[in-house]
Amino acid sequence: QQQVKQSPQSLIVQKGGISIINCAYENTAFDYFPWYQQFPGKGPALLIAIRPDVSEKKEGRFTISFNKSAKQFSLHIMDSQPGDSATYFCAASNPNSGYSTLTFGKGTMLLVSP
Amino acid sequence: NAGVTQTPKFQVLKTGQSMTLQCAQDMNHNSMYWYRQDPGMGLRLIYYSASEGTTDKGEVPNGYNVSRLNKREFSLRLESAAPSQTSVYFCASSVRGYTEAFFGQGTRLTVV
Repeated sequence: QQQVKQSPQSLIVQKGGISIINCAYENTAFDYFPWYQQFPGKGPALLIAIRPDVSEKKEGRFTISFNKSAKQFSLHIMDSQPGDSATYFCAASNPNSGYSTLTFGKGTMLLVSP
Repeated sequence: NAGVTQTPKFQVLKTGQSMTLQCAQDMNHNSMYWYRQDPGMGLRLIYYSASEGTTDKGEVPNGYNVSRLNKREFSLRLESAAPSQTSVYFCASSVRGYTEAFFGQGTRLTVV
């Protein structure tokens, strides 16, 4: 049972374009939704995160949109750059449980063409 | 500023051999985790340790054991390696709550 579904699997965007990655979750106890960025040969690193008490969070060119009723959230990368080419993972957790274990989506491989 | 350090970075094992993956963090984090990453599968939790002295199973614990040696170190042991355990293994650590998990650089394990 996949608790966090991520789409698309891969994405090609032209430089300057908008990259959009979508995720949906099933467990209503999830209360923290981070996005991780991973470059080849490296470990994932936190990009941006949101809690469901807000519908949007923006940090520079990266924005998370959150729809609690639909149990969906998405990552928007504005003015995409070749340096953004990486694999992106959405994740969810329930810190109120006392544990901060992350449930990850399957990942989206983003390629930004010059 | 090392963060999370994993050793070794690469390993090739024969089926049936055993090995221990080491992980250490220098951020004074309470919680530590072991994930495996397989193509098209994302990262799946193997085991975690919410605090020193406690360990719990994650989504895919079969074939693995863990030891939380102290607050800094959390090791993952494969007692009898199988080809299905070929994967990239990541250790991570965090404080509890709505905070960032920090990942190591990974161990690429091949079982032949």
